[in-house]
Amino acid sequence: GENVEQHPSTLSVQEGDSAVIKCTYSDSASNYFPWYKQELGKGPQLIIDIRSNVGEKKDQRIAVTLNKTAKHFSLHITETQPEDSAVYFCAATSNAGGTSYGKLTFGQGTILTVHP
Amino acid sequence: EPEVTQTPSHQVTQMGQEVILRCVPISNHLYFYWYRQILGQKVEFLVSFYNNEISEKSEIFDDQFSVERPDGSNFTLKIRSTKLEDSAMYFCASWHLRTDTQYFGPGTRLTVL
Repeated sequence: GENVEQHPSTLSVQEGDSAVIKCTYSDSASNYFPWYKQELGKGPQLIIDIRSNVGEKKDQRIAVTLNKTAKHFSLHITETQPEDSAVYFCAATSNAGGTSYGKLTFGQGTILTVHP
Repeated sequence: EPEVTQTPSHQVTQMGQEVILRCVPISNHLYFYWYRQILGQKVEFLVSFYNNEISEKSEIFDDQFSVERPDGSNFTLKIRSTKLEDSAMYFCASWHLRTDTQYFGPGTRLTVL
């Protein structure tokens, strides 16, 4: 089955700096890769996702890149703010057409702390 | 904005007891899921449910677990005889065709003593 590894487990940055979180996956059939943000006491919330027919996707300060050959994808947050502090999870799944209804396999999570 | 809701937020039970965790998925969603997260570990898939039957389940989802959609709104996870190792945060999620996204609830923290 799929295995997703995520690094680093903790990341501490100064406000305004960039943060990068990396994930690798094992199943070459995986074709949908979401990133979730989990704040204290809340469930994971989708912040951005990418499908295997795309190499990069941006949404304001957040971007995700995908390298299918190397089987890794990364989350980039620019101009970090204290409210970006949370646990971030990457995940992967494989479904026909790159849809997301299949089971998600998660990485271990990264605790991001943004210092004012 | 509609949200997935879960009750209770925290459940404490004795080993061997049955527990039912409840979820109200977002209306008009088609797939429903249970995931769990043991403290300090990854979020793990348990089961998915579509068209009133289990679509997929993991090896964790053994005979002690069952899911049900008893009416048009609730989605439940039952653990028949809880074990210490069932202590975890349990997340319900639902999937919407239009947005093609899984939406997660806030979770139920289950503590088995």
